[in-house]
Amino acid sequence: RKEVEQDPGPFNVPEGATVAFNCTYSNSASQSFFWYRQDCRKEPKLLMSVYSSGNEDGRFTAQLNRASQYISLLIRDSKLSDSATYLCVVNRGSTLGRLYFGRGTQLTVWP
Amino acid sequence: GAVVSQHPSRVICKSGTSVKIECRSLDFQATTMFWYRQFPKQSLMLMATSNEGSKATYEQGVEKDKFLINHASLTLSTLTVTSAHPEDSSFYICSARGRDERWEQYFGPGTRLTVT
Repeated sequence: RKEVEQDPGPFNVPEGATVAFNCTYSNSASQSFFWYRQDCRKEPKLLMSVYSSGNEDGRFTAQLNRASQYISLLIRDSKLSDSATYLCVVNRGSTLGRLYFGRGTQLTVWP
Repeated sequence: GAVVSQHPSRVICKSGTSVKIECRSLDFQATTMFWYRQFPKQSLMLMATSNEGSKATYEQGVEKDKFLINHASLTLSTLTVTSAHPEDSSFYICSARGRDERWEQYFGPGTRLTVT
């Protein structure tokens, strides 16, 4: 079983739509969770960390369910500029800080 | 803050030659740097973890004699692809984790290597 699993999509939504991405992780000892976004042929950029209580950053809301080992990202009022691949990322808490990446979910927002 | 640079951004080399890629943390000291490789439409694959002043830790299946990593200072790590072959053509990305950031990593812009 992969360390981090995501639905690869693609998700194609119109501007203004709300879209949700899901992710599961296999190691119950995982301690830190993130969503990164990666544009085509570019490096990943940190979108937001995910905390147990859930957190929101503008149009983006992240949720963590430790019991189900499940992470989600909700994007409201989608913009054209949100088109990218969204990577679910997990850290087990090792001293080296190694991250485990999902394959990514591709999102295209159309006008 | 948390800016990571990579050089070069793009390189084309002939089969059998070696290529060095530099990764620098510009505004923070990076105790740990990571080197990834990404093939088209695939996720990032961790190649190795390097800690300043010590030997790199390579992932299973990554040849340490082929991919030489040197983390000589708190702001610089280098990856040298030795005796490159066309199958080494890929997008190489480094990331850095600072002393103060628990687990967040900041990525360099990547180096696109093409071996002809």
